[in-house]
Amino acid sequence: DVKVTQSSRYLVKRTGEKVFLECVQDMDHENMFWYRQDPGLGLRLIYFSYDVKMKEKGDIPEGYSVSREKKERFSLILESASTNQTSMYLCASNRDRVGQYFGPGTRLTVT
Amino acid sequence: AQSVSQHNHHVILSEAASLELGCNYSYGGTVNLFWYVQYPGQHLQLLLKYFSGDPLVKGIKGFEAEFIKSKFSFNLRKPSVQWSDTAEYFCAVRGTYKYIFGTGTRLKVLA
Repeated sequence: DVKVTQSSRYLVKRTGEKVFLECVQDMDHENMFWYRQDPGLGLRLIYFSYDVKMKEKGDIPEGYSVSREKKERFSLILESASTNQTSMYLCASNRDRVGQYFGPGTRLTVT
Repeated sequence: AQSVSQHNHHVILSEAASLELGCNYSYGGTVNLFWYVQYPGQHLQLLLKYFSGDPLVKGIKGFEAEFIKSKFSFNLRKPSVQWSDTAEYFCAVRGTYKYIFGTGTRLKVLA
């Protein structure tokens, strides 16, 4: 079974802090994605990566950056957390055109 | 621009009722379409997918969806729902690399 793991299930940070969210997949997938999930808004793509050291902006990249130094790991960075970044963050991975495999999510609260 | 619309935001059904959740998409190229489900407290998981061929696709747990190209639709159906189908359902379309998700439909099945 494909496994996508995320470093934390719940995280509480203060405004202005730098936040790192880690995602690891164990199936040698080329593509990895970061989304945020908010009630009534569905999933919105923040960034994605289709290869090591490659990254592409999604629909809402402002305030975020990413890093992919190894194929299995894709990190989301909030440079200076703000309260409007309180959300559920989902990581996903896949290969080619198949559906995505999702991690359990990290619920981030910024106070 | 690519987009996905799910018009039903909340649906409440009694057990054994039939289900149809609407999904309309806007995309100019060859479409790959997906339905995902998120049970309470669980990961998003793939229900079914359409790439080409038979427009009626069958997925897990008795779900099916029909691709109607002329209507740009990919509606999800189940003949008889169960209490365990209570979940949030997301329709998605795949672009070149990235996936566009609808805003989701929350289904509640009353026992």
